Amino acid sequence: RKEVEQDPGPFNVPEGATVAFNCTYSNSASQSFFWYRQDCRKEPKLLMSVYSSGNEDGRFTAQLNRASQYISLLIRDSKLSDSATYLCVVTSYTGGFKTIFGAGTRLFVKA
Amino acid sequence: DTGVSQDPRHKITKRGQNVTFRCDPISEHNRLYWYRQTLGQGPEFLTYFQNEAQLEKSRLLSDRFSAERPKGSFSTLEIQRTEQGDSAMYLCASSADGQGNGYTFGSGTRLTVV
Repeated sequence: RKEVEQDPGPFNVPEGATVAFNCTYSNSASQSFFWYRQDCRKEPKLLMSVYSSGNEDGRFTAQLNRASQYISLLIRDSKLSDSATYLCVVTSYTGGFKTIFGAGTRLFVKA
Repeated sequence: DTGVSQDPRHKITKRGQNVTFRCDPISEHNRLYWYRQTLGQGPEFLTYFQNEAQLEKSRLLSDRFSAERPKGSFSTLEIQRTEQGDSAMYLCASSADGQGNGYTFGSGTRLTVV
């Protein structure tokens, strides 16, 4: 089993749709969580951190469920420019520093 | 300082040759990371520096790979005796101290071993 697992997609949605991505992680000692966005042939860019209380940034909402070891990203009112790969990232600090990236979920937003 | 810089952007080399990549992190960032990414996969951790100290190395990093950050500023990643399986995007990232700080990535060096 991979340490961080994501549905690879692709998700094909029309503009204006709401789409949700899920991510599960296996290390219960994980402490920091992030979503990154990666455009085709570009470097990953930090989209948002994920906090236990959940957090929102405009059309994007991230949630963390430590008990289920599960992270989610919700995108409301999808735009064409949201088309990208979304990477789930988990960091643990016990027994050494370790940051694991998921393989990513591809999103295509269509007009 | 406009971000993390990597050089070169692209490198094509013959199998068996040595290659070296450079990364200049954001100047205020103490932490520097090297990752490798292949098509359809997320970045895979290679190694991590806090200032000049190399604190973690992945098992993926064979003896042919070595990384340095001699003065706690820029870093180099060298691959000796390259193999076709080394073809990938090599990404450098930096972050500030403290837990919970996200990374800023450079544009990467795309290595093709022929």
